[in-house]
Amino acid sequence: KQEVTQIPAALSVPEGENLVLNCSFTDSAIYNLQWFRQDPGKGLTSLLLIQSSQREQTSGRLNASLDKSSGRSTLYIAASQPGDSATYLCAANDYKLSFGAGTTVTVRA
Amino acid sequence: GAVVSQHPSWVICKSGTSVKIECRSLDFQATTMFWYRQFPKQSLMLMATSNEGSKATYEQGVEKDKFLINHASLTLSTLTVTSAHPEDSSFYICSAVPGPGDGDTQYFGPGTRLTVL
Repeated sequence: KQEVTQIPAALSVPEGENLVLNCSFTDSAIYNLQWFRQDPGKGLTSLLLIQSSQREQTSGRLNASLDKSSGRSTLYIAASQPGDSATYLCAANDYKLSFGAGTTVTVRA
Repeated sequence: GAVVSQHPSWVICKSGTSVKIECRSLDFQATTMFWYRQFPKQSLMLMATSNEGSKATYEQGVEKDKFLINHASLTLSTLTVTSAHPEDSSFYICSAVPGPGDGDTQYFGPGTRLTVL
């Protein structure tokens, strides 16, 4: 059974600082790995999807890397803003999505 | 493109009643839909996989007689929580897969907040 772990569980940074969110998974036989954002009481917003054959994906200030062999992915958010405050979830896809518990980010103005 | 809707967005019901939640893919056909449950401050847990025209596959520990899933068309799946109790209060989220193959991207609905009194 796929187990996904996210560290840290919570993170508070001043505005402008870069964010590094970590995700690890136990079974490397995945099709892809996806990062989501969830605001309180809301659904999921897909941020980045990295196929198993890719090493990284970038979208604006977001960059996600994937090291499938070691079972790790990292989400980098550059120059954080208060609007980046949310919970970030990673999910490993081996046909079924297995989610981590998330990292709750607070960016202080 | 690839928009998934859920209805209702929130529902409050009395203990012992049944509640139906709809999940629709608005601009694509979805042969597979997934249902997730999220308790407060916890992550999403897969409840079941729904394939159009066949019986849903439930994850271990999920009662299939309590959580009835019907995937009657390529754009609609429904989750019925039967004889709901307060412990069923949760955030229910569905997702839909446009493609027929494994590993295809899942598109998520906005979720339904169920509160059972």
